[in-house]
Amino acid sequence: NAGVMQNPRHLVRRRGQEARLRCSPMKGHSHVYWYRQLPEEGLKFMVYLQKENIIDESGMPKERFSAEFPKEGPSILRIQQVVRGDSAAYFCASSPVTSGAGDTQYFGPGTRLTVL
Amino acid sequence: TQLLEQSPQFLSIQEGENLTVYCNSSSVFSSLQWYRQEPGEGPVLLVTVVTGGEVKKLKRLTFQFGDARKDSSLHITAAQPGDTGLYLCAGAEAGNMLTFGGGTRLMVKP
Repeated sequence: NAGVMQNPRHLVRRRGQEARLRCSPMKGHSHVYWYRQLPEEGLKFMVYLQKENIIDESGMPKERFSAEFPKEGPSILRIQQVVRGDSAAYFCASSPVTSGAGDTQYFGPGTRLTVL
Repeated sequence: TQLLEQSPQFLSIQEGENLTVYCNSSSVFSSLQWYRQEPGEGPVLLVTVVTGGEVKKLKRLTFQFGDARKDSSLHITAAQPGDTGLYLCAGAEAGNMLTFGGGTRLMVKP
């Protein structure tokens, strides 16, 4: 039973380029979350998606960042015109379709983005 | 926005010692999760606590959720070098997003 998969594990981009980060949730999970971890800091929530819907994007920067979770295929976090401050580790997590408290989130290994 | 204060930030101890990590908030969480993160990897779930006053044990690790569901602690008994790592607490809110504490970086010296 594969866990949450993320690719690429490492991504290097020059300023102004686009970065595309992919996340495949655990089998049977339909909730996906993206978090960003800056060096020496904790994880910060960015966006919460279900299939074909953005549920909560309150943590997402208003410009250059977008996320999707299509009916088929992985969730994509897209960063346009990257800047050096976007350099960070981006983690995806997934949880199953349940209700109530205690919906545990399982994390992928992350994508480390470096902007030159 | 709910905040989680985690302390201490750094902890360096000798093998065999006991330690406690604290996670505090002024807000109530529906559940609280503890993770451990190794360098270059994603957080790995240790435990989820849901009920106020709940205590869970995982070998030498004891997790407690405060009665009011605002705070939690992680106690490690007889720490070993293999316990070295970054420990993160995360509170779950109604919308399912997690609010993370700043982390406790533990080093256990042999």
